[in-house]
Amino acid sequence: GAVVSQHPSRVICKSGTSVKIECRSLDFQATTMFWYRQFPKQSLMLMATSNEGSKATYEQGVEKDKFLINHASLTLSTLTVTSAHPEDSSFYICSAQGRGAWGNTIYFGEGSWLTVV
Amino acid sequence: AQTVTQSQPEMSVQEAETVTLSCTYDTSESDYYLFWYKQPPSRQMILVIRQEAYKQQNATENRFSVNFQKAAKSFSLKISDSQLGDAAMYFCAYRWDTGTASKLTFGTGTRLQVTL
Repeated sequence: GAVVSQHPSRVICKSGTSVKIECRSLDFQATTMFWYRQFPKQSLMLMATSNEGSKATYEQGVEKDKFLINHASLTLSTLTVTSAHPEDSSFYICSAQGRGAWGNTIYFGEGSWLTVV
Repeated sequence: AQTVTQSQPEMSVQEAETVTLSCTYDTSESDYYLFWYKQPPSRQMILVIRQEAYKQQNATENRFSVNFQKAAKSFSLKISDSQLGDAAMYFCAYRWDTGTASKLTFGTGTRLQVTL
């Protein structure tokens, strides 16, 4: 079964509103979570890395104020797209890494389709 | 910077045949991990196989095996006895550990078609 759950799988929001996507590790404590964006027919682009209890580290070119990432607990990270615009429409995927044996592999969530209308 | 290159945007294989997907990477690190992930139409990223750089032995998982050439920085995936369910996007990924966390860099992917 899935070890990382992402919700919602699909969301449609109006331009100018904010939308939150959750990423949960189900069977382990995720010390680090990653957020990716994937455009159609392209690879995964790392947006940011978050460690539990500390601020996220954003990749170059990713707007911190637009893509708010919170990793408040060892099992939950959230990505909030603020003041969403149609160009933010994309597939967003999270992944998680734990400690010990759970650190050997990075597990992915099912992904979330965001459509901004 | 670590980069991963997949030079085959698309590949096709007949059912029951063998296909090899290529991947090269660039790094100055000596200790790292390499992965192949499969992404079917559902978009779920599924781990196919992993290889630790310090291991000389090539990883094998059932019908999937890799040819890891560390000096050449090459990491190809061989799929034997291809099945229709193998059709998907395949991403090669490189991971290195920064001490507090890991970073994963993906190649651009290879779309594999499996024909009857």
